[in-house]
Amino acid sequence: QSALTQPPSASGSPGQSVTISCTGTSSDVGGYNYVSWYQQHPGKAPKLMIYEVSKRPSGVPDRFSGSKSGNTASLTVSGLQAEDEADYYCSSYAGSNNFVFGTGTKVTVL
Amino acid sequence: EVQLVESGGGLVQPGGSLRLSCAASGFTFSSYWMSWVRQAPGKGLEWVANIKQDGSEKYYVDSVKGRFTISRDNAKNSLYLQMNSLRAEDTAVYYCARARNPPWCFDYWGQGTLVTVSS
Repeated sequence: QSALTQPPSASGSPGQSVTISCTGTSSDVGGYNYVSWYQQHPGKAPKLMIYEVSKRPSGVPDRFSGSKSGNTASLTVSGLQAEDEADYYCSSYAGSNNFVFGTGTKVTVL
Repeated sequence: EVQLVESGGGLVQPGGSLRLSCAASGFTFSSYWMSWVRQAPGKGLEWVANIKQDGSEKYYVDSVKGRFTISRDNAKNSLYLQMNSLRAEDTAVYYCARARNPPWCFDYWGQGTLVTVSS
């Protein structure tokens, strides 16, 4: 199972928006509406930000939104804040109780 | 408050064994799938294994099949990962995570325990 493809980096100024892509195949991202996104600050554990493509867990700001088209999912962070600077990973269900993560994207707030 | 606390990491020689533990609290442990996810130094996340609520189903990433065994003790609210025939490429921080299946995501994570495989 190959890792999902994410851009290595993305950046934006405070208040701007940044969108991160996550490209897989019809066997994972394209085959299921079970894409999730995780935020990880340096030295910390990942935190669930989006599940089932576009749903937000309780407590996650509505500045975070997710979508999917075909084999590519996307995470958009609107109204960037300093605390949004972190690594972001997508993940997809890949069938038969298998999971695959993305390569990760470092978001920098300029 | 959901808490997951891993332990058991350390330095081990190639070919050696190690058993990781994860103590869960703040939720009904026996009602959830549980998972192990690892992260090699400076690298991305990799799903390692899943176990069903009653332990009757277990799934592994291909690279650890036959070497790693996931298990749980619902009476002790604990998750385990027995790692045998360890290789240098198994060096990583190992996270215990609560899995929601469906919608197939990991909604709570522990702080991780570092496993270093080196001679």
